[in-house]
Amino acid sequence: DGGITQSPKYLFRKEGQNVTLSCEQNLNHDAMYWYRQDPGQGLRLIYYSQIVNDFQKGDIAEGYSVSREKKESFPLTVTSAQKNPTAFYLCASSEGDPTGGKETQYFGPGTRLLVL
Amino acid sequence: EDQVTQSPEALRLQEGESSSLNCSYTVSGLRGLFWYRQDPGKGPEFLFTLYSAGEEKEKERLKATLTKKESFLHITAPKPEDSATYLCAVQAYSGGYQKVTFGIGTKLQVIP
Repeated sequence: DGGITQSPKYLFRKEGQNVTLSCEQNLNHDAMYWYRQDPGQGLRLIYYSQIVNDFQKGDIAEGYSVSREKKESFPLTVTSAQKNPTAFYLCASSEGDPTGGKETQYFGPGTRLLVL
Repeated sequence: EDQVTQSPEALRLQEGESSSLNCSYTVSGLRGLFWYRQDPGKGPEFLFTLYSAGEEKEKERLKATLTKKESFLHITAPKPEDSATYLCAVQAYSGGYQKVTFGIGTKLQVIP
C-alpha cells in the first residue's frame, strides 16, 4: 500500500528543546511539503522540496528547519526559536511535474505538537 | 496575492438534504483547484482536482464544478458519514514553484 506516514502522532516539547517530526512516503514522489494547521486558518506552508538535496522556505519558515537526504524522507525540526509551536503539522507529497499537470498533493495523517 | 474564500464556514444538514459548498478564488494563472475532506485529528483526504472552467467531477454523493471565479462542491442526499471539514485549494505558478493556497474550510454536519 502506497502512502505517507508521519510520526509520532503526538509530540510534546519542553521549552528550549528542539524536536523532529518524521515524514516518509513510498509513492515515489519527487516533491514533498510541510504545512502547519491552526484553528481558524488555512494550511500554511513551512518548507517544500522539489528534489533530493534541495529545499525552499515557504511562507512561515522561521523557527523551523528541514533536510532532504533521501527521496522518501523529509523530516521537520521545530527549533527553540519557534515561539508558538503548538499546532497540527501535516506532511504532503506530489509527483513534482514541472509543467504543473500532476501537482495534486497527498497528505499524511499529521502530528500534533504540544508544548509542556 | 492569491486568495481562497470558502462559504459557509459551517453547514448543518438533515440526512438526505442536498446542498452546495462554495469556494471562490482570486489567483493569477490558475493551474488547478483541489477539494479535500478532513476528519477531526486526521490529514486531508484528496477528493478532486479540476483544471479548467466547465470541468465537473463526481464521486459517490459528491460533485465538484469549476467556473472562472469559483468552484462548488455539491452534496446529494448526504449521510451522517459525510460529516467532515471540506477544504478547497488553488494552485498557481509563482517563483518557480506551483504554489498552493488553501481556504479555511467548510465544516459540514449531517444529522440522522
